[in-house]
Amino acid sequence: DADVTQTPRNRITKTGKRIMLECSQTKGHDRMYWYRQDPGLGLRLIYYSFDVKDINKGEISDGYSVSRQAQAKFSLSLESAIPNQTALYFCATSDLGGNHNEQFFGPGTRLTVL
Amino acid sequence: KNEVEQSPQNLTAQEGEFITINCSYSVGISALHWLQQHPGGGIVSLFMLSSGKKKHGRLIATINIQEKHSSLHITASHPRDSAVYICAVEYGNKLVFGAGTILRVKS
Repeated sequence: DADVTQTPRNRITKTGKRIMLECSQTKGHDRMYWYRQDPGLGLRLIYYSFDVKDINKGEISDGYSVSRQAQAKFSLSLESAIPNQTALYFCATSDLGGNHNEQFFGPGTRLTVL
Repeated sequence: KNEVEQSPQNLTAQEGEFITINCSYSVGISALHWLQQHPGGGIVSLFMLSSGKKKHGRLIATINIQEKHSSLHITASHPRDSAVYICAVEYGNKLVFGAGTILRVKS
C-alpha cells in the first residue's frame, strides 16, 4: 500500500461549491504539506503543518483552509471553489528528524472547477 | 524573478544520449533536491545534496554552492527516463521548486 494517499484522485466541481481534499500517511511523519501545481509553474506551497497543533500558511493560502485531524491526516478545503483553483494538488510528508527536508508525495488530486 | 530557474524547459533526446538538466538558484540554501514526476503525476525524490556529487545508477547530480548551480545528468538515456525533472531548494523549513524540465527520450 502507498505510504501517502490522497482522495479523491479526480474531482470536477462547480464554482461556489465547497470541496475537501484528504491526505493520509502511514509513514509516521510529523510534517505534512499541501501544494498545488499549475502548468509551467513549480509546485507552490498552500499550507503546512509540523504537528497536530501547528498550522502555517504557505505562499498561496488565500481561498484555502486546512485541518490536521491527527498525525496521519491533513485535509485541504476550498470553501467556495473558483475556476482559477483548477490545478493538480499534492500532499507531502517529511520527517521532523534528520538533516534535510526530504519530502514524500501523494499521487495527486486533479481538481477541475467549472 | 523566480528563485529557482531550470533549463531547458523542454528537452527531446534520442535513446542512448547523455542528458544534462541545469538548475540555478538565487538564495542561500541548506540542500538541493532533484525529483522526478512521471506522466501519471506521481513525484519521487531522486537526490538530496548539499555539496559535491551523488550517483545512483545512470543518474548523477552535482552542486556548486559558490555558483548557486546544480546539474542532473542522465547517462545512456532510455525512453523510460521520459518524465518531468524538478529541482527544489531547501531553506528554512520549506522547499522552493523550479518549474520543471520536460524530458522525452525517443527510441
